[in-house]
Amino acid sequence: DTGVSQDPRHKITKRGQNVTFRCDPISEHNRLYWYRQTLGQGPEFLTYFQNEAQLEKSRLLSDRFSAERPKGSFSTLEIQRTEQGDSAMYLCASSLRTGERFTDTQYFGPGTRLTVL
Amino acid sequence: KQEVTQIPAALSVPEGENLVLNCSFTDSAIYNLQWFRQDPGKGLTSLLLIQSSQREQTSGRLNASLDKSSGRSTLYIAASQPGDSATYLCAVRKRFDNDMRFGAGTRLTVKP
Repeated sequence: DTGVSQDPRHKITKRGQNVTFRCDPISEHNRLYWYRQTLGQGPEFLTYFQNEAQLEKSRLLSDRFSAERPKGSFSTLEIQRTEQGDSAMYLCASSLRTGERFTDTQYFGPGTRLTVL
Repeated sequence: KQEVTQIPAALSVPEGENLVLNCSFTDSAIYNLQWFRQDPGKGLTSLLLIQSSQREQTSGRLNASLDKSSGRSTLYIAASQPGDSATYLCAVRKRFDNDMRFGAGTRLTVKP
């Protein structure tokens, strides 16, 4: 399977615990995005990487959230001291930059569903 | 701030019917608009991407149109099938922005 993969698919945790999610993009893709989607809503942008550089972060990404892409391949999203409001689907997407900016199509992974009790 | 609205929120049609899903956005200075499909509990699948300079895109039974000046896009699905049942999301991207702004989606059910 050469699509975007995410692990785990489901995570249940208690409030106050730390959680980490992993995203493996399509191998040749140099852009990687994280989104959060709550029930009945569309995804909301969290952050974006170009290779290993984190170039943009949404105001939704509080200090408890941190994302890395250490070698420009897979990425991790960590949430510290989880709160019930963090319960959502966390989606990862990847794309390949072409010669013309912003025409790239984003390919989404299946998501990680987080439930904070 | 860009706001994206999709109407209706849910739609149920009998198999074989042609249907139209609507997407509106408040800031017409977009770079492109994309339609996605999302099956329950799954990620998003890109259906069609329309650049701001284009009026429409077609793929099989799907046709998406864009009227940037009025802030509207429609997704037309011909001869609907039960397998088309899913949530359809539209997303817009502004020039020089790396993120996309999504609507809340239209949940489509096609009854056999």
